[in-house]
Amino acid sequence: NAGVTQTPKFQVLKTGQSMTLQCAQDMNHNSMYWYRQDPGMGLRLIYYSASEGTTDKGEVPNGYNVSRLNKREFSLRLESAAPSQTSVYFCASSEPGNTIYFGEGSWLTVV
Amino acid sequence: RKEVEQDPGPFNVPEGATVAFNCTYSNSASQSFFWYRQDCRKEPKLLMSVYSSGNEDGRFTAQLNRASQYISLLIRDSKLSDSATYLCVVNPRRAAGNKLTFGGGTRVLVKP
Repeated sequence: NAGVTQTPKFQVLKTGQSMTLQCAQDMNHNSMYWYRQDPGMGLRLIYYSASEGTTDKGEVPNGYNVSRLNKREFSLRLESAAPSQTSVYFCASSEPGNTIYFGEGSWLTVV
Repeated sequence: RKEVEQDPGPFNVPEGATVAFNCTYSNSASQSFFWYRQDCRKEPKLLMSVYSSGNEDGRFTAQLNRASQYISLLIRDSKLSDSATYLCVVNPRRAAGNKLTFGGGTRVLVKP
């Protein structure tokens, strides 16, 4: 009963380091998303992928890149981490118009 | 103005009482609406969809007011386990990509 699985759960980075957050879903959903959540800001969409092979920018894409590796997997990469990217990151998936299911979140701290 | 706005609270609610709160949205073309529940340090989970005619699920009632562009959530007979943050979610249109917009959340604290 995995649903949406994202790794790592916790990560501390130094400014300028790079890393990739991994996400996989086993519900055969076409659409996948990456959100970040900051105190008082709610969930903000970073990037989304409507279907395999397509990706589009969301509300806050700067500083991030994504790859829709296949239908199951959607990764988020920080090329040069900045303290402003300290946040909780949620991967999610859905069928268009239907319920979004979230992973358990990745807590990222950039020092 | 934010696309989706909520009173952040917290709403302090005695156990057994009723609490209600609203969420306003700015895009009049918005087509689907949801309430999600998020517990501390956990992922959001769907509580209920909001239909034009209003809908009820046990102790929870959701309403949509298109004219005034808001949705509401009412919780009756509050339980301690209802303590959470409730996120209002709006879908601008039924298009591929499902770019939902989330409100900042309303925090509810149910106390004995």
